[in-house]
Amino acid sequence: RKEVEQDPGPFNVPEGATVAFNCTYSNSASQSFFWYRQDCRKEPKLLMSVYSSGNEDGRFTAQLNRASQYISLLIRDSKLSDSATYLCVVITDKLIFGTGTRLQVFP
Amino acid sequence: DAEITQSPRHKITETGRQVTLACHQTWNHNNMFWYRQDLGHGLRLIHYSYGVQDTNKGEVSDGYSVSRSNTEDLPLTLESAASSQTSVYFCASSGDGYEQYFGPGTRLTVT
Repeated sequence: RKEVEQDPGPFNVPEGATVAFNCTYSNSASQSFFWYRQDCRKEPKLLMSVYSSGNEDGRFTAQLNRASQYISLLIRDSKLSDSATYLCVVITDKLIFGTGTRLQVFP
Repeated sequence: DAEITQSPRHKITETGRQVTLACHQTWNHNNMFWYRQDLGHGLRLIHYSYGVQDTNKGEVSDGYSVSRSNTEDLPLTLESAASSQTSVYFCASSGDGYEQYFGPGTRLTVT
């Protein structure tokens, strides 16, 4: 089993839709979690950290479920500009990137 | 503004040649990292450094080396390029926290 797993997608959603991605991790000792965004042929950039109690940043909500060992990213009111690949990052004694979930928002 | 740059942005080389990819950051970060990104594998760590004269092997270090002679630079050398090393290479740096700042990437093709 991979240490960090993501559904590669693509998730094709219309503008204005709500979409959610999950990222599962295998190491229960994982300490910190993040979501990065990567546009096509560009570098990854930090989108948001994931806190134990869940956190929101505008249209984006990140949540952590330690019991089931996954993190999630919810995007409300999707915009065309949200089209990108979303990478989850899990930190144990090392930093591990997921392979990413591709989101395509269409008009 | 602080930044992290990579050069060259694109490189085509032949099998067996030595290649060096440059990474330069002006964040004054102690931590620097090299990753490669391939379809189906995501970002995989090649080497990393926590400070001057410190280097460590990552998950896929075979065939690669790094050196850290100052805070700003972490060049990545492919000793003898192989076709399996065709990839996109990202350099990143981080300070005290976990957030990593990535360079724009180098697209390397080994023919």
